[in-house]
Amino acid sequence: GAGVSQTPSNKVTEKGKYVELRCDPISGHTALYWYRQSLGQGPEFLIYFQGTGAADDSGLPNDRFFAVRPEGSVSTLKIQRTERGDSAVYLCASSSTGDEQFFGPGTRLTVL
Amino acid sequence: SQQGEEDPQALSIQEGENATMNCSYKTSINNLQWYRQNSGRGLVHLILIRSNEREKHSGRLRVTLDTSKKSSSLLITASRAADTASYFCATPPRSGSTLGRLYFGRGTQLTVWP
Repeated sequence: GAGVSQTPSNKVTEKGKYVELRCDPISGHTALYWYRQSLGQGPEFLIYFQGTGAADDSGLPNDRFFAVRPEGSVSTLKIQRTERGDSAVYLCASSSTGDEQFFGPGTRLTVL
Repeated sequence: SQQGEEDPQALSIQEGENATMNCSYKTSINNLQWYRQNSGRGLVHLILIRSNEREKHSGRLRVTLDTSKKSSSLLITASRAADTASYFCATPPRSGSTLGRLYFGRGTQLTVWP
């Protein structure tokens, strides 16, 4: 594909439910990043994959958050027992050089 | 904590005027990047300046970097209504790091009136 894609674009769920957010990076990009952005704030780092492995997951806020990238391409961010405070736009980015990161359009998660 | 902080938080100008946004950061870096975001969704990379560069141009954009003051500025010349967006500076966490996270500031919301 031409760019990073994320699905769904919007997700509304109820408190306590489980959600999965998907990211398709640019083909050939080995680095993949997840960020979370709350209203009026800049993106906040969650996790970074280099290939299939999580090179840095120090931004995950707690153990309800988990992400995988089993084949080194598509990644899924999983949130268990969602809370209202999890509501945000979840952004995915990929990179080949480590300099410029290419962002997807984001998934707007709303937890009711 | 966030590495970079933009100033001002909001900027409102008329078309044709120049817009200047500033960014301050805390630790040594090997590069600083500026991104643009429309309507709170995906970010678009605008320009990257390395620590050994002092100024860089790209079209109507001019970026400066002062490593002694740990600050950068983004100048948009002859602004257009389509430049209305949020602008963020972003840095890797420490000098020498690559392929890692970026730290973003809270952004400057630029509004350009026709």
